[in-house]
Amino acid sequence: AQKVTQAQTEISVVEKEDVTLDCVYETRDTTYYLFWYKQPPSGELVFLIRRNSFDEQNEISGRYSWNFQKSTSSFNFTITASQVVDSAVYFCALSAWGGYQLIWGAGTKLIIKP
Amino acid sequence: DTGVSQDPRHKITKRGQNVTFRCDPISEHNRLYWYRQTLGQGPEFLTYFQNEAQLEKSRLLSDRFSAERPKGSFSTLEIQRTEQGDSAMYLCASSLAQDSGANVLTFGAGSRLTVL
Repeated sequence: AQKVTQAQTEISVVEKEDVTLDCVYETRDTTYYLFWYKQPPSGELVFLIRRNSFDEQNEISGRYSWNFQKSTSSFNFTITASQVVDSAVYFCALSAWGGYQLIWGAGTKLIIKP
Repeated sequence: DTGVSQDPRHKITKRGQNVTFRCDPISEHNRLYWYRQTLGQGPEFLTYFQNEAQLEKSRLLSDRFSAERPKGSFSTLEIQRTEQGDSAMYLCASSLAQDSGANVLTFGAGSRLTVL
Protein backbone atom coordinates (compact mmCIF):
# COMPACT_ATOMS: atom_id res chain seq x y z
CA ALA A 1 0.00 0.00 0.00
CA GLN A 2 1.07 3.55 -0.62
CA LYS A 3 1.35 6.06 2.18
CA VAL A 4 2.69 9.57 2.70
CA THR A 5 3.63 10.86 6.13
CA GLN A 6 4.17 14.49 7.02
CA ALA A 7 5.03 14.29 10.68
CA GLN A 8 5.20 18.04 11.23
CA THR A 9 1.65 19.23 11.79
CA GLU A 10 2.58 22.88 12.20
CA ILE A 11 5.79 24.88 11.98
CA SER A 12 6.19 28.49 13.03
CA VAL A 13 9.27 30.53 12.18
CA VAL A 14 10.22 34.16 11.99
CA GLU A 15 10.58 35.75 8.59
CA LYS A 16 13.93 35.24 6.87
CA GLU A 17 14.61 31.97 8.67
CA ASP A 18 15.14 28.83 6.62
CA VAL A 19 12.62 26.05 7.14
CA THR A 20 12.46 22.42 6.03
CA LEU A 21 9.25 20.46 5.62
CA ASP A 22 9.63 16.71 5.89
CA CYS A 23 7.92 14.09 3.73
CA VAL A 24 8.36 10.34 4.07
CA TYR A 25 6.63 7.97 1.71
CA GLU A 26 5.95 4.25 1.43
CA THR A 27 5.46 2.35 -1.79
CA ARG A 28 6.25 -1.05 -3.21
CA ASP A 29 6.52 0.38 -6.70
CA THR A 30 9.96 0.88 -8.19
CA THR A 31 8.73 3.72 -10.36
CA TYR A 32 6.57 6.50 -9.07
CA TYR A 33 6.10 10.26 -8.88
CA LEU A 34 6.32 12.60 -5.91
CA PHE A 35 4.70 16.00 -5.67
CA TRP A 36 4.51 19.05 -3.47
CA TYR A 37 1.47 21.33 -3.48
CA LYS A 38 0.82 24.55 -1.59
CA GLN A 39 -2.57 25.50 -0.16
CA PRO A 40 -2.62 29.17 0.84
CA PRO A 41 -5.35 30.60 3.09
CA SER A 42 -7.46 31.22 -0.01
CA GLY A 43 -7.78 27.43 -0.26
CA GLU A 44 -6.78 26.67 -3.86
CA LEU A 45 -4.11 23.99 -4.14
CA VAL A 46 -1.14 25.12 -6.20
CA PHE A 47 1.36 22.77 -7.82
CA LEU A 48 5.00 23.30 -6.82
CA ILE A 49 7.03 20.37 -8.11
CA ARG A 50 6.84 16.86 -9.56
CA ARG A 51 9.76 14.48 -9.29
CA ASN A 52 10.01 10.99 -10.79
CA SER A 53 11.67 8.14 -8.97
CA PHE A 54 14.50 7.92 -11.50
CA ASP A 55 15.80 11.37 -10.74
CA GLU A 56 17.39 11.89 -7.34
CA GLN A 57 19.01 15.17 -8.22
CA ASN A 58 18.13 17.98 -5.88
CA GLU A 59 16.13 20.76 -7.43
CA ILE A 60 16.25 24.46 -6.70
CA SER A 61 13.75 27.05 -7.78
CA GLY A 62 14.43 30.47 -6.35
CA ARG A 63 14.08 30.23 -2.58
CA TYR A 64 12.63 26.72 -2.82
CA SER A 65 14.65 23.53 -2.91
CA TRP A 66 13.79 19.87 -2.76
CA ASN A 67 15.89 16.96 -1.52
CA PHE A 68 14.85 13.51 -2.79
CA GLN A 69 16.51 10.49 -1.19
CA LYS A 70 15.27 7.06 -2.22
CA SER A 71 17.44 5.39 0.42
CA THR A 72 15.38 6.99 3.17
CA SER A 73 12.13 7.31 1.17
CA SER A 74 12.10 11.02 1.79
CA PHE A 75 11.29 14.05 -0.32
CA ASN A 76 11.93 17.10 1.83
CA PHE A 77 11.18 20.70 0.94
CA THR A 78 13.25 23.66 2.12
CA ILE A 79 12.32 27.32 1.94
CA THR A 80 15.28 29.64 2.26
CA ALA A 81 14.86 33.14 3.70
CA SER A 82 11.17 32.58 4.37
CA GLN A 83 8.63 35.31 3.75
CA VAL A 84 5.21 35.97 5.21
CA VAL A 85 3.66 35.08 1.85
CA ASP A 86 5.02 31.56 2.26
CA SER A 87 2.48 30.97 5.03
CA ALA A 88 0.28 28.11 3.86
CA VAL A 89 -0.38 24.42 4.25
CA TYR A 90 2.06 22.35 2.23
CA PHE A 91 1.17 18.87 1.03
CA CYS A 92 3.40 16.08 -0.19
CA ALA A 93 1.80 13.50 -2.48
CA LEU A 94 2.71 10.23 -4.19
CA SER A 95 1.48 8.60 -7.38
CA ALA A 96 2.22 5.35 -9.10
CA TRP A 97 3.88 5.51 -12.49
CA GLY A 98 1.04 5.53 -14.97
CA GLY A 99 -1.40 6.15 -12.16
CA TYR A 100 -3.91 8.92 -11.89
CA GLN A 101 -4.64 8.92 -8.19
CA LEU A 102 -2.55 10.97 -5.80
CA ILE A 103 -1.99 9.74 -2.25
CA TRP A 104 -1.61 12.76 -0.01
CA GLY A 105 0.01 13.43 3.31
CA ALA A 106 -1.93 15.27 5.99
CA GLY A 107 -0.06 18.49 5.29
CA THR A 108 2.20 20.80 7.26
CA LYS A 109 0.88 24.20 8.24
CA LEU A 110 3.67 26.73 7.90
CA ILE A 111 3.36 30.04 9.74
CA ILE A 112 5.85 32.77 8.92
CA LYS A 113 5.81 35.55 11.47
CA PRO A 114 6.94 39.05 10.47
CA ASP B 1 -8.51 30.37 -19.86
CA THR B 2 -9.46 31.23 -16.31
CA GLY B 3 -8.55 27.90 -14.76
CA VAL B 4 -10.79 25.36 -13.06
CA SER B 5 -14.11 26.78 -11.92
CA GLN B 6 -16.35 25.28 -9.26
CA ASP B 7 -19.87 26.21 -8.31
CA PRO B 8 -21.24 26.85 -5.78
CA ARG B 9 -18.36 27.87 -3.54
CA HIS B 10 -20.39 27.26 -0.44
CA LYS B 11 -23.46 25.13 0.18
CA ILE B 12 -25.34 24.71 3.42
CA THR B 13 -28.00 22.04 3.45
CA LYS B 14 -30.08 20.03 5.84
CA ARG B 15 -29.44 16.35 6.42
CA GLY B 16 -31.29 14.23 3.91
CA GLN B 17 -31.30 16.78 1.11
CA ASN B 18 -29.58 16.28 -2.24
CA VAL B 19 -26.81 18.58 -3.42
CA THR B 20 -25.03 18.99 -6.73
CA PHE B 21 -21.67 20.58 -7.45
CA ARG B 22 -20.42 21.65 -10.86
CA CYS B 23 -16.87 21.78 -12.17
CA ASP B 24 -15.68 23.43 -15.36
CA PRO B 25 -12.14 22.26 -16.13
CA ILE B 26 -9.50 23.96 -18.23
CA SER B 27 -10.86 23.55 -21.73
CA GLU B 28 -7.99 21.58 -23.26
CA HIS B 29 -7.70 19.21 -20.29
CA ASN B 30 -9.16 15.77 -20.98
CA ARG B 31 -8.80 14.40 -17.45
CA LEU B 32 -10.98 15.49 -14.56
CA TYR B 33 -10.79 14.47 -10.92
CA TRP B 34 -12.91 14.90 -7.83
CA TYR B 35 -11.30 14.92 -4.39
CA ARG B 36 -12.72 15.52 -0.93
CA GLN B 37 -10.84 17.34 1.81
CA THR B 38 -11.77 17.56 5.47
CA LEU B 39 -10.22 19.93 7.96
CA GLY B 40 -6.61 19.13 8.78
CA GLN B 41 -6.33 16.39 6.19
CA GLY B 42 -4.98 16.00 2.71
CA PRO B 43 -7.35 15.52 -0.22
CA GLU B 44 -8.97 12.12 -0.63
CA PHE B 45 -9.56 10.73 -4.12
CA LEU B 46 -13.19 10.27 -5.11
CA THR B 47 -13.35 9.67 -8.85
CA TYR B 48 -11.67 10.31 -12.18
CA PHE B 49 -12.76 10.86 -15.77
CA GLN B 50 -10.89 10.70 -19.01
CA ASN B 51 -13.02 12.60 -21.48
CA GLU B 52 -16.59 11.46 -20.74
CA ALA B 53 -15.65 8.05 -19.34
CA GLN B 54 -15.58 7.57 -15.58
CA LEU B 55 -12.57 5.28 -15.24
CA GLU B 56 -12.29 4.93 -11.50
CA LYS B 57 -14.39 5.49 -8.42
CA SER B 58 -13.04 5.21 -4.90
CA ARG B 59 -14.20 2.19 -2.93
CA LEU B 60 -14.71 4.58 -0.06
CA LEU B 61 -17.42 6.39 -1.99
CA SER B 62 -20.90 5.35 -1.04
CA ASP B 63 -23.69 4.79 -3.54
CA ARG B 64 -25.13 8.14 -2.53
CA PHE B 65 -22.39 9.82 -4.55
CA SER B 66 -22.57 10.01 -8.33
CA ALA B 67 -20.54 11.94 -10.83
CA GLU B 68 -20.99 12.62 -14.52
CA ARG B 69 -19.07 14.31 -17.24
CA PRO B 70 -21.36 14.53 -20.28
CA LYS B 71 -19.59 15.27 -23.54
CA GLY B 72 -16.25 15.32 -21.76
CA SER B 73 -16.55 18.94 -20.72
CA PHE B 74 -17.96 20.06 -17.37
CA SER B 75 -18.64 17.59 -14.58
CA THR B 76 -21.21 17.33 -11.83
CA LEU B 77 -20.94 15.60 -8.48
CA GLU B 78 -24.24 14.79 -6.79
CA ILE B 79 -24.66 13.68 -3.22
CA GLN B 80 -28.02 12.19 -2.38
CA ARG B 81 -29.54 12.05 1.12
CA THR B 82 -26.72 14.05 2.61
CA GLU B 83 -25.33 13.13 6.02
CA GLN B 84 -23.38 15.25 8.46
CA GLY B 85 -20.28 13.22 7.64
CA ASP B 86 -20.44 14.52 4.10
CA SER B 87 -19.46 17.97 5.31
CA ALA B 88 -16.17 18.72 3.59
CA MET B 89 -14.52 20.69 0.83
CA TYR B 90 -15.10 19.08 -2.56
CA LEU B 91 -12.23 19.76 -4.91
CA CYS B 92 -12.19 19.42 -8.65
CA ALA B 93 -8.99 19.22 -10.66
CA SER B 94 -8.12 18.75 -14.29
CA SER B 95 -5.07 17.75 -16.28
CA LEU B 96 -3.79 16.74 -19.68
CA ALA B 97 -3.29 13.01 -20.16
CA GLN B 98 0.33 12.01 -20.41
CA ASP B 99 1.76 8.63 -21.20
CA SER B 100 3.28 8.18 -17.79
CA GLY B 101 0.20 9.29 -15.93
CA ALA B 102 0.77 11.09 -12.65
CA ASN B 103 -0.34 14.29 -14.24
CA VAL B 104 0.16 17.71 -12.79
CA LEU B 105 -3.25 18.69 -11.48
CA THR B 106 -4.77 22.14 -11.67
CA PHE B 107 -7.27 22.56 -8.87
CA GLY B 108 -10.33 24.69 -8.52
CA ALA B 109 -11.06 26.69 -5.40
CA GLY B 110 -13.41 24.00 -4.12
CA SER B 111 -17.03 23.75 -3.03
CA ARG B 112 -17.50 23.73 0.70
CA LEU B 113 -20.45 21.65 1.90
CA THR B 114 -21.95 22.01 5.35
CA VAL B 115 -24.65 19.53 6.31
CA LEU B 116 -26.73 20.57 9.31
